[in-house]
Amino acid sequence: DIVVTQSPDSLAVSLGERATINCKSSQSILYNSNNKNYLAWFQQKPGQPPRLLIYLASIRESGVPDRFRGSGSGTDFTLTISSLQAEDVAVYYCQQYYATPPEFGQGTKVEIK
Amino acid sequence: ITLKESGPTLVTPTQTLTLTCSFSGFSLSTTAVAVGWLRQPPGKTLEWLALIYWDDDKRYNPSLERRLTIAKDTYRDQVVLTMTNVDPVDTATYYCAHKQDNSDWSLLFDYWGQGTLVTVSP
Repeated sequence: DIVVTQSPDSLAVSLGERATINCKSSQSILYNSNNKNYLAWFQQKPGQPPRLLIYLASIRESGVPDRFRGSGSGTDFTLTISSLQAEDVAVYYCQQYYATPPEFGQGTKVEIK
Repeated sequence: ITLKESGPTLVTPTQTLTLTCSFSGFSLSTTAVAVGWLRQPPGKTLEWLALIYWDDDKRYNPSLERRLTIAKDTYRDQVVLTMTNVDPVDTATYYCAHKQDNSDWSLLFDYWGQGTLVTVSP
């Protein structure tokens, strides 16, 4: 199985400041035939299901604010929230979907400092 | 697209758990459409369980495959998951979700139900 590991487990950021979450896969999730990275980011607020934010490492899902940016390739990926808003308080998960079974990271809790 | 899970909230160890996903906004008779099940124990991360395609092809997480069965009822717009021999470690919120129509093998879910909490306890 391809395991994904997130860091940090939690972070506290001031409103308007940048939040950065890292995700590392145990092997490359870049599919060479189409040059796509099969990595997604989800946001989960308490009592709610996960919400898809980013797929193919850097494509924002429809309706996702542009302060959310995904980057990276191969085994190392990053989710950046450029200017943290109060409504961004949540747990964020990365997921590899290159291989079956798809695997989720352990989650990163983002709070307001 | 909407999905909604239903089933028991409390199950006794060793029993069989049956969950139903009722959906709207798409059809499981349409080419390439698929619906999956995932779960999330309290305070923990997500785990993919199973998936069924429009053509009745099925995929299971190898770690749980011998205990899981997924089936669809196209006419009722429902997908059913059964899990045998449940244990307290199976206590979790169970989600059904729509597989993104990316026309390839990869399992990414773009629409999720609200989830149903199932507790396994004597």
